[in-house]
Amino acid sequence: DAGVTQSPTHLIKTRGQQVTLRCSPKSGHDTVSWYQQALGQGPQFIFQYYEEEERQRGNFPDRFSGHQFPNYSSELNVNALLLGDSALYLCASSLAYTYEQYFGPGTRLTVT
Amino acid sequence: GDSVTQMEGPVTLSEEAFLTINCTYTATGYPSLFWYVQYPGEGLQLLLKATKADDKGSNKGFEATYRKETTSFHLEKGSVQVSDSAVYFCALSDPSNNDMRFGAGTRLTVKP
Repeated sequence: DAGVTQSPTHLIKTRGQQVTLRCSPKSGHDTVSWYQQALGQGPQFIFQYYEEEERQRGNFPDRFSGHQFPNYSSELNVNALLLGDSALYLCASSLAYTYEQYFGPGTRLTVT
Repeated sequence: GDSVTQMEGPVTLSEEAFLTINCTYTATGYPSLFWYVQYPGEGLQLLLKATKADDKGSNKGFEATYRKETTSFHLEKGSVQVSDSAVYFCALSDPSNNDMRFGAGTRLTVKP
């Protein structure tokens, strides 16, 4: 049973560019959440997708957007990258209306 | 809003020592509580959980009891091993929200 997978593993971008990160949920899960984890800190909630719609959003600017596909996989897009966007981006999947989330290994984004 | 405060690290112990990592929470509803572990270069793994007051979560020798009266969920292990070296995150998930709130993490190093 494949767990949550994310791609790419690492990414280096220049300030002002745009980036797309991808996530495939654990088999049987229909809900995907995205988190940003800055170095030495706990993960911060970005948003959650369910039934291809954004169900809830954390305190992140509109530069952060997402999408969920019919197969439940998801993308996180970040526009106009800032140096402060450098972080580990974690995807977590779950079943709708359950508490337990399963995390992927993350994508390490470095903005120079 | 809901939040989690956990003991600042780093924590350094000798093998077979007793471990306690303190975690307290603030929530308006009746959250579920979690401990996640993050090994170097990896994503978060669920270590244990408790969904209601007085529940005890346990896994791999780690335990934590949901204490509503003290709003706490302290992590304990009777005898740590070198392989337990990692960063530990306390987290909560409230039924009124769809996100998970994390503490800042506590880095544990176990020396032989």
